[in-house]
Amino acid sequence: KAGVTQTPRYLIKTRGQQVTLSCSPISGHRSVSWYQQTPGQGLQFLFEYFSETQRNKGNFPGRFSGRQFSNSRSEMNVSTLELGDSALYLCASSQPLGLAGGPNTGELFFGEGSRLTVL
Amino acid sequence: DAKTTQPPSMDCAEGRAANLPCNHSTISGNEYVYWYRQIHSQGPQYIIHGLKNNETNEMASLIITEDRKSSTLILPHATLRDTAVYYCIVSSGGSNYKLTFGKGTLLTVNP
Repeated sequence: KAGVTQTPRYLIKTRGQQVTLSCSPISGHRSVSWYQQTPGQGLQFLFEYFSETQRNKGNFPGRFSGRQFSNSRSEMNVSTLELGDSALYLCASSQPLGLAGGPNTGELFFGEGSRLTVL
Repeated sequence: DAKTTQPPSMDCAEGRAANLPCNHSTISGNEYVYWYRQIHSQGPQYIIHGLKNNETNEMASLIITEDRKSSTLILPHATLRDTAVYYCIVSSGGSNYKLTFGKGTLLTVNP
């Protein structure tokens, strides 16, 4: 089956602009999480969505936001871009076990990422 | 989540087994050990995970010590394509979507 798809793969923005990144999870997966990867900080958790609700959020400023649609596709938005927002943004999907989206001991499936450069 | 300690880098000859160690001395009873790898400029790839028992799949084997304070990922026949950063992560099953990635081990497989 198709993997996690992220668009766009590459983009360049200038300081102060805003950006929207898209993620289509694996078919049937209802959980989508976002990560930021930079050379200095490594991979850091941004937030996770399940059934259109944000369940958990990492330690990032409010400029970073996201949402999930009824078909489980997710978008993340970064407003008022700063130079330090230049990073690889990764999306991952998983399928929680149980009807209520309970504990999931399965793996995360990552997309190839969206590489954002802020000038 | 418990913290993990991995060597920053390791080398392995092609065709030989690669044994990647990980210390997680503060792991709690409900936490799993996950291994992911990231090949340059790609998204991380899940390899294997375990709770107490040793696990094996088509990619690798995971050996967890009896006290669960450390583990070893074994790639039985390393190839050049296994060159990557390998991350050992400890996380409870209920929040496996929120993984804390450390710096990992850069495994270089040499011809």
